[in-house]
Amino acid sequence: KQEVTQIPAALSVPEGENLVLNCSFTDSAIYNLQWFRQDPGKGLTSLLLIQSSQREQTSGRLNASLDKSSGRSTLYIAASQPGDSATYLCAVRPPNSGYALNFGKGTSLLVTP
Amino acid sequence: SQTIHQWPATLVQPVGSPLSLECTVEGTSNPNLYWYRQAAGRGLQLLFYSVGIGQISSEVPQNLSASRPQDRQFILSSKKLLLSDSGFYLCAWGSLQKETQYFGPGTRLLVL
Repeated sequence: KQEVTQIPAALSVPEGENLVLNCSFTDSAIYNLQWFRQDPGKGLTSLLLIQSSQREQTSGRLNASLDKSSGRSTLYIAASQPGDSATYLCAVRPPNSGYALNFGKGTSLLVTP
Repeated sequence: SQTIHQWPATLVQPVGSPLSLECTVEGTSNPNLYWYRQAAGRGLQLLFYSVGIGQISSEVPQNLSASRPQDRQFILSSKKLLLSDSGFYLCAWGSLQKETQYFGPGTRLLVL
């Protein structure tokens, strides 16, 4: 069974810092990997999606990398802002699963002014 | 554009009472539909998914059931709620053409 782990569980940084969130998964047979953002009491918003054949994706200040063979992904946030404060969730999509996603527990990020 | 709705937004129910949560999608046809639960201290857990009307797959044995009476309607139900059913319930949709899933605003359920 696919297990997705995110480290750290919580992170607090001052505004302007660059930071890295980590995600690991136990089964390298994935279709893709996604990073989501969840604001308190809200639904999820997709940030970046990396296909299994890709190594990284970038959107603005966000960069996600994927090393499928080692079962790892990182989300890099450059020049963090207070508006980045949220929970960041990593999810892998296994092949042939009805396209359901396996989520990690998330990293709760607080960026202080 | 596509939108996904969930209601109610918040629900407080006594143990043993029934439950019905509704999810509807607009702007797309024949979507895959998903129910997830997010409990305190745990990640999102897939409860049910559906690839078509009347087609429901359950990922975990539990006190809940799901139905898809219409193409863009997904309902989560229970005959008798347990304390452990408390959590944040999220509906999502996806498709063969869409690589990602799109999530609704969620329903917060508290069972007392």
